[in-house]
Amino acid sequence: DAGVTQSPTHLIKTRGQQVTLRCSPKSGHDTVSWYQQALGQGPQFIFQYYEEEERQRGNFPDRFSGHQFPNYSSELNVNALLLGDSALYLCASSLPRQLYTEAFFGQGTRLTVV
Amino acid sequence: GESVGLHLPTLSVQEGDNSIINCAYSNSASDYFIWYKQESGKGPQFIIDIRSNMDKRQGQRVTVLLNKTVKHLSLQIAATQPGDSAVYFCAERGNFNKFYFGSGTKLNVKP
Repeated sequence: DAGVTQSPTHLIKTRGQQVTLRCSPKSGHDTVSWYQQALGQGPQFIFQYYEEEERQRGNFPDRFSGHQFPNYSSELNVNALLLGDSALYLCASSLPRQLYTEAFFGQGTRLTVV
Repeated sequence: GESVGLHLPTLSVQEGDNSIINCAYSNSASDYFIWYKQESGKGPQFIIDIRSNMDKRQGQRVTVLLNKTVKHLSLQIAATQPGDSAVYFCAERGNFNKFYFGSGTKLNVKP
């Protein structure tokens, strides 16, 4: 089992550009959540996808959007990049219909906006 | 929303000593908590969890204590090893397994 995989591992973009990050959840997991982790901070919840729909969203602007595909993989899109969007973006997946279950994290995508 | 905070940003311990990392949470209705370990350049890794109907849970070399009266969690690591050096986060669960993280405690293990 490959676990949660994310691509790319590192990315450099210019302010104002758009970026797409990708995530494949752990086998058997149908729920995908995205987190942003600024340097020296804990991960902050962006949004969660379940059954190809955004189920809940954190306090992030509409520039952050996502998608979930029928195979449960997911994308995170960020438009009009700002310098402050530089962070580690983490994808997490979890088991379906489990009341007490951890979120399994990928290794993250390090986004640098210049 | 919920907030999770940690008392100490950095903790240095001698190899072989026991480590204690503390965490405060704000939502008294939270029912599930997890400690994660994050090594440099990696994603958070599950260490141990505890449900709100428990006061203590033990794993291999790790113990989590939950004090609901003061909304406090602690992670105890026995016989700390160099491989334990990392940032440790406590996470509090919200709806649909959304987790709220604190800012973390960096554990430095001195040989």
